[in-house]
Amino acid sequence: KAGVTQTPRYLIKTRGQQVTLSCSPISGHRSVSWYQQTPGQGLQFLFEYFSETQRNKGNFPGRFSGRQFSNSRSEMNVSTLELGDSALYLCASSFGVAEDTQYFGPGTRLTVL
Amino acid sequence: AQSVTQLGSHVSVSEGALVLLRCNYSSSVPPYLFWYVQYPNQGLQLLLKYTSAATLVKGINGFEAEFKKSETSFHLTKPSAHMSDAAEYFCAVSGPGGATNKLIFGTGTLLAVQP
Repeated sequence: KAGVTQTPRYLIKTRGQQVTLSCSPISGHRSVSWYQQTPGQGLQFLFEYFSETQRNKGNFPGRFSGRQFSNSRSEMNVSTLELGDSALYLCASSFGVAEDTQYFGPGTRLTVL
Repeated sequence: AQSVTQLGSHVSVSEGALVLLRCNYSSSVPPYLFWYVQYPNQGLQLLLKYTSAATLVKGINGFEAEFKKSETSFHLTKPSAHMSDAAEYFCAVSGPGGATNKLIFGTGTLLAVQP
């Protein structure tokens, strides 16, 4: 089975631009979660989606948004980029919730200049 | 609110020595607890998880962890370290409210293995 795929793997943007990151879950998985990883703040939860519905949202400004499509693929968008948005963005998928194992993708490294 | 605390941001052991990475949790409800490993420039890989079954949980690569409610701990151990174990390790607790995939992570412990 193919693992979680994230595209692109690396991205460089400038302040004020917007960016869209994509996550393709493992086939058959219905839940996708997103995390931001930075040296200063560590791993922080962004969103959780299950069957196209956002179930949870982390404590991030409204510039961060996401969605999930009917095929379980998910995208997250960050508008009006700031330098502090530079991070590794990780996506995880699982079949269900709670006890089900979450499998992480390799991440998208976003650099904001 | 749920949280996890990892004691020791850096741990160094000799190859063949015992690995002990500490994690304490705070939760008002019975938690689900996880240990993940991250190698450089990669995502997270699940080592093991506790979901209220056996308190001693065995994971991949020879790692295990014991859930101790009285100590609110979930320390990760491996009897004999291997060079390939050098990586960053994260303890995590599932988010509040149950029935969620939201993970709250500790700050991580970077494990170095000396030859």
